[in-house]
Amino acid sequence: AQTVTQSQPEMSVQEAETVTLSCTYDTSESDYYLFWYKQPPSRQMILVIRQEAYKQQNATENRFSVNFQKAAKSFSLKISDSQLGDAAMYFCASPGGTYKYIFGTGTRLKVLA
Amino acid sequence: DVKVTQSSRYLVKRTGEKVFLECVQDMDHENMFWYRQDPGLGLRLIYFSYDVKMKEKGDIPEGYSVSREKKERFSLILESASTNQTSMYLCASSSTGWRGTEAFFGQGTRLTVV
Repeated sequence: AQTVTQSQPEMSVQEAETVTLSCTYDTSESDYYLFWYKQPPSRQMILVIRQEAYKQQNATENRFSVNFQKAAKSFSLKISDSQLGDAAMYFCASPGGTYKYIFGTGTRLKVLA
Repeated sequence: DVKVTQSSRYLVKRTGEKVFLECVQDMDHENMFWYRQDPGLGLRLIYFSYDVKMKEKGDIPEGYSVSREKKERFSLILESASTNQTSMYLCASSSTGWRGTEAFFGQGTRLTVV
């Protein structure tokens, strides 16, 4: 079965510090993308970053970057210089078959001032 | 600006009622999804549709049905609401053709069944 596992239900980080959220996945797809989504409190879920599995270079979007270890099926999200606005639920997602996505259980990130 | 709009942010319904959750997208996306979000369980796929009048069951379809009569609209129907269907419901849409395409989400409907 295709699965996505986020083993950290909650994480805390001091403002301006760096935090890494973990995700492992299992997929039968051969050509795929992986995603991190952010769900702020009472707001819509939005895409943070995506990674193509065939690219060796880790994706980066401003303060957000991934550490993609294909052999280990690991896809962690690093947030640098954390800001109060980064406080949210973060979901990792992988393909779950044609057209579909499978999401992890989420990690709630708290940013401490 | 891309948009997925769900008809209600909050709903309170009685046990046994038939409940309709509506979702509209303005991006001409082929694919639309209904997810249920519960604490500790993440997002679980209820149903999805890859074309008008086409639908496929997701992981937890029991007690739900869907309708997609027009490309932009995807409805989730709770045939006879029960208290264990109290949850946050998220609608999403995506395009077909590129594996890297993202899903765009609505703001969610928090449904309480009493």
